[in-house]
Amino acid sequence: SQKIEQNSEALNIQEGKTATLTCNYTNYSPAYLQWYRQDPGRGPVFLLLIRENEKEKRKERLKVTFDTTLKQSLFHITASQPADSATYLCALEEGGSQGNLIFGKGTKLSVKP
Amino acid sequence: NAGVTQTPKFQVLKTGQSMTLQCAQDMNHEYMSWYRQDPGMGLRLIHYSVGAGITDQGEVPNGYNVSRSTTEDFPLRLLSAAPSQTSVYFCASRPLFGAGDPYEQYFGPGTRLTVT
Repeated sequence: SQKIEQNSEALNIQEGKTATLTCNYTNYSPAYLQWYRQDPGRGPVFLLLIRENEKEKRKERLKVTFDTTLKQSLFHITASQPADSATYLCALEEGGSQGNLIFGKGTKLSVKP
Repeated sequence: NAGVTQTPKFQVLKTGQSMTLQCAQDMNHEYMSWYRQDPGMGLRLIHYSVGAGITDQGEVPNGYNVSRSTTEDFPLRLLSAAPSQTSVYFCASRPLFGAGDPYEQYFGPGTRLTVT
């Protein structure tokens, strides 16, 4: 069965540094992968989607890479700020579905001033 | 647009009671879904719908029923609540087809349910 794993439950970094979060998947070749942000007590919010034929995608201070050979996506936040502190979820489409998503368990990022 | 709305925000039930979690969206999205989120488990799909009158099971459907009589509403029913259904429930919606990032999901704020 398809599995999606986010290697770190928690990541602590200093303000101004680059945060790098990892998402690995097995037993599947997704057409795209998504990243969401979730703040405590709130629903996830979509950040970025990267397709299998895209190596990299950027949005302001966010960058996502997608390596279909390694079956891995990396999510980078450059010049991190305390306001970036949140849980970040990766998700990929369940094979053969109508676009149902399988989510990783998330990585809780804490940016210290 | 209000986006995706969910009611109630919090609910406490006793084992065996039934209730309906409400979900509505005003974006005319064909696809709607329900997830539960438990500590250490991530988001798991309960049921989903690709349009009015069409529903299907996700990863963890047991103990839950859904119906989709309109495009806007997708209620989730717990027929006989069990402590194992204590969780945070999220409703989400998205267009089935579209330009740009077609599979971006819009989530509601969640319902925190405790079953004692």
